[in-house]
Amino acid sequence: DGGITQSPKYLFRKEGQNVTLSCEQNLNHDAMYWYRQDPGQGLRLIYYSQIVNDFQKGDIAEGYSVSREKKESFPLTVTSAQKNPTAFYLCASSTQRRIARDTQYFGPGTRLTVL
Amino acid sequence: AQKITQTQPGMFVQEKEAVTLDCTYDTSDPSYGLFWYKQPSSGEMIFLIYQGSYDQQNATEGRYSLNFQKARKSANLVISASQLGDSAMYFCAMREGQMGSNYQLIWGAGTKLIIKP
Repeated sequence: DGGITQSPKYLFRKEGQNVTLSCEQNLNHDAMYWYRQDPGQGLRLIYYSQIVNDFQKGDIAEGYSVSREKKESFPLTVTSAQKNPTAFYLCASSTQRRIARDTQYFGPGTRLTVL
Repeated sequence: AQKITQTQPGMFVQEKEAVTLDCTYDTSDPSYGLFWYKQPSSGEMIFLIYQGSYDQQNATEGRYSLNFQKARKSANLVISASQLGDSAMYFCAMREGQMGSNYQLIWGAGTKLIIKP
């Protein structure tokens, strides 16, 4: 079955630690995205990548880093510079055809809690 | 300025009734797409339905339909014969096809729908 997997489902971090969230897709999509969702709110874009070895900052990139070494994988690192990292993180992918109807499909999410 | 507005933070609907979730948008791009997603309590964002700005007919997908009123810049989601499993957060999103910043999705704040048995 094609889809997007994220791991772990739950992640606990001590203050000052870096943690990496995994996102893998087997949909053969070119584009991948990371979003942050705080309780009761919509999604905010952290980073996105349209092609391997290339990525762009979204609206709230400070304190986060990404890499895109393989088409299938787009890991997100939450660094110690991120002051309030407790949130729900969603990864998505799309074909990135440059048209309005390009649909993003999402993984199950990772819930990060800072202790 | 808000580009996507969902005015209903929460709604209660009796099972089997139809429900309309409101979404208004703001864009000057002639080419744009509107999306609705469902987020159950598990957290995963599930794509429901898409409407393009040039589409002549309102989009339908099973029990979901989109009441697209272009002149009013409105794209309301209609769920027919609601079921308990429809209880979730619902998000409206827009992509601007020509003028948008790298074709990013712009998200509304969501509406929490609770279906009562």
